[in-house]
Amino acid sequence: DAGITQSPRHKVTETGTPVTLRCHQTENHRYMYWYRQDPGHGLRLIHYSYGVKDTDKGEVSDGYSVSRSKTEDFLLTLESATSSQTSVYFCAIKGDGDQPQHFGDGTRLSIL
Amino acid sequence: SQQGEEDPQALSIQEGENATMNCSYKTSINNLQWYRQNSGRGLVHLILIRSNEREKHSGRLRVTLDTSKKSSSLLITASRAADTASYFCATDAAWGQNFVFGPGTRLSVLP
Repeated sequence: DAGITQSPRHKVTETGTPVTLRCHQTENHRYMYWYRQDPGHGLRLIHYSYGVKDTDKGEVSDGYSVSRSKTEDFLLTLESATSSQTSVYFCAIKGDGDQPQHFGDGTRLSIL
Repeated sequence: SQQGEEDPQALSIQEGENATMNCSYKTSINNLQWYRQNSGRGLVHLILIRSNEREKHSGRLRVTLDTSKKSSSLLITASRAADTASYFCATDAAWGQNFVFGPGTRLSVLP
């Protein structure tokens, strides 16, 4: 299995608080992604990174920011969490070329 | 808007039967991938088919791709209870390294 870990695995927090989710990889892959998964929507891309300090927005980026200061770490931040951001968040990594994505086991985030 | 759409949304079959899931997409692609997700886990890659390929096999899995119809199918033969999961197709943009996932097909294989 690809070396990818997400932390925390579960988090409950209150509306208006900042939240940071971490994705860590040991594969030295160039591409890293953050998705959210909600019933009926499949996975939707929030942000992605194509290198250190190189990031771009996905389909549902509003309310989220990311940072990648090292190849192995990709952080997702909710500056001021809202109840609509309650979801399961998945990180994925990918190598160059026609390679599949490898996913972490997700972070279940509940915002009350 | 979603690139891939799986059909059916849910499928229930008996162990030993074959399961077929379909995926339709809207724009040109470099490749199409199928993933499986067990409850409470991340997605696991099953198979990748490139736009210049028409069929691909991996064990009990058979994937077809029809770029003229912008559709793909995943066939699981001789299904097992362990195949119970959600299955997703993902398509890439013709230019990039991003992927768009459909809402998935939920497969239940009854013993």
